[in-house]
Amino acid sequence: NAGVTQTPKFQVLKTGQSMTLQCAQDMNHEYMSWYRQDPGMGLRLIHYSVGAGITDQGEVPNGYNVSRSTTEDFPLRLLSAAPSQTSVYFCASSYLGSGNTIYFGEGSWLTVV
Amino acid sequence: EDKVVQSPLSLVVHEGDTVTLNCSYEVTNFRSLLWYKQEKKAPTFLFMLTSSGIEKKSGRLSSILDKKELFSILNITATQTGDSAVYLCAVHYSGGYQKVTFGIGTKLQVIP
Repeated sequence: NAGVTQTPKFQVLKTGQSMTLQCAQDMNHEYMSWYRQDPGMGLRLIHYSVGAGITDQGEVPNGYNVSRSTTEDFPLRLLSAAPSQTSVYFCASSYLGSGNTIYFGEGSWLTVV
Repeated sequence: EDKVVQSPLSLVVHEGDTVTLNCSYEVTNFRSLLWYKQEKKAPTFLFMLTSSGIEKKSGRLSSILDKKELFSILNITATQTGDSAVYLCAVHYSGGYQKVTFGIGTKLQVIP
């Protein structure tokens, strides 16, 4: 019963480094998304995808890249990490259409020093 | 601009009190509204609402949606310390591609 799997759970990066947060789901969900959560800001949508090969920007896309080559995987790339990207990142997925619950990964705690 | 607004931002109550959390929204092509509870890790699902006026209930928690006035409320009766958490409201809509936007959340603290 894997659900949504995110890795790594914790990461410390130096400013300017790049890295990829991995997200995989085994529920055949069309919709996958990445959020970041900061104190007092709630969950803000970074990028999302409605199927393989289709991605779009959310509310805070700058500094992040995504791709969706398969239904299962939706990695989030930080191109050149900045301290402002210190946050908790959640990957989420669901079926498309009304009446579908969103499932979350466990979260990835990222610190950029 | 699509938005989801929750109120109050924080709330402190005593055990046994009843609380009402509010969520209003302005989105294009509304599909559903979801409530989540978050306690220091990933949000956990509470309710999904798609139709106006139909109350969803689970134990001491209940929620209802008003699609005409564009809001939802989450009620918690006989609160317990275990209800302390951040409660998140999210709206699933299709402005362009379908997507889901969250409110900032209401932080509830229940004291003994």
